[in-house]
Amino acid sequence: DAKTTQPNSMESNEEEPVHLPCNHSTISGTDYIHWYRQLPSQGPEYVIHGLTSNVNNRMASLAIAEDRKSSTLILHRATLRDAAVYYCILRPTGNQFYFGTGTSLTVIP
Amino acid sequence: NAGVTQTPKFQVLKTGQSMTLQCAQDMNHNSMYWYRQDPGMGLRLIYYSASEGTTDKGEVPNGYNVSRLNKREFSLRLESAAPSQTSVYFCASTKGPGQGLNEQFFGPGTRLTVL
Repeated sequence: DAKTTQPNSMESNEEEPVHLPCNHSTISGTDYIHWYRQLPSQGPEYVIHGLTSNVNNRMASLAIAEDRKSSTLILHRATLRDAAVYYCILRPTGNQFYFGTGTSLTVIP
Repeated sequence: NAGVTQTPKFQVLKTGQSMTLQCAQDMNHNSMYWYRQDPGMGLRLIYYSASEGTTDKGEVPNGYNVSRLNKREFSLRLESAAPSQTSVYFCASTKGPGQGLNEQFFGPGTRLTVL
């Protein structure tokens, strides 16, 4: 199973951008990079995913390093509702997701 | 659409008791999953069903059985509950194989305590 490494916790001020890093040095060529987040007492929810190119959607942006060994989830303007645990996951071309312990994001008003 | 629903929301069992956690999805998804999440930890895959009629073990299958009852429903059974199975259980679904590497949709979870 492909592994990812994320900082345990990060803080951000409200309305400022947040950059959440993820290292995945053992990524294979067919692994997609997925990000999920989990709000307190809820199930995880999908944020974004990508393979090689940077990706944008209404929630966030995903910046993928050229060698694909790291990626960064970017929240452009953090709000209090963005306080959650963010998981970076490598999704091989199969059915299994492997969640790590994620990064707990605290947003300071 | 209700998405992914789970019952019950909370359950307390005594060691050795059995129970079944129910999960249903109304999105016509092919693949369904059961995860457990221990305090302060990420999710670990227990079992999954890539399509109706198939089930496979995940990372932590010991002590559990599953049934893919039909395309909508995927149940998780604890035959003889142990305190080590105290956890929050999440069910999830995706469109499934051959339909793109798309997102998983999660249910609200079942909080299980085994005394």
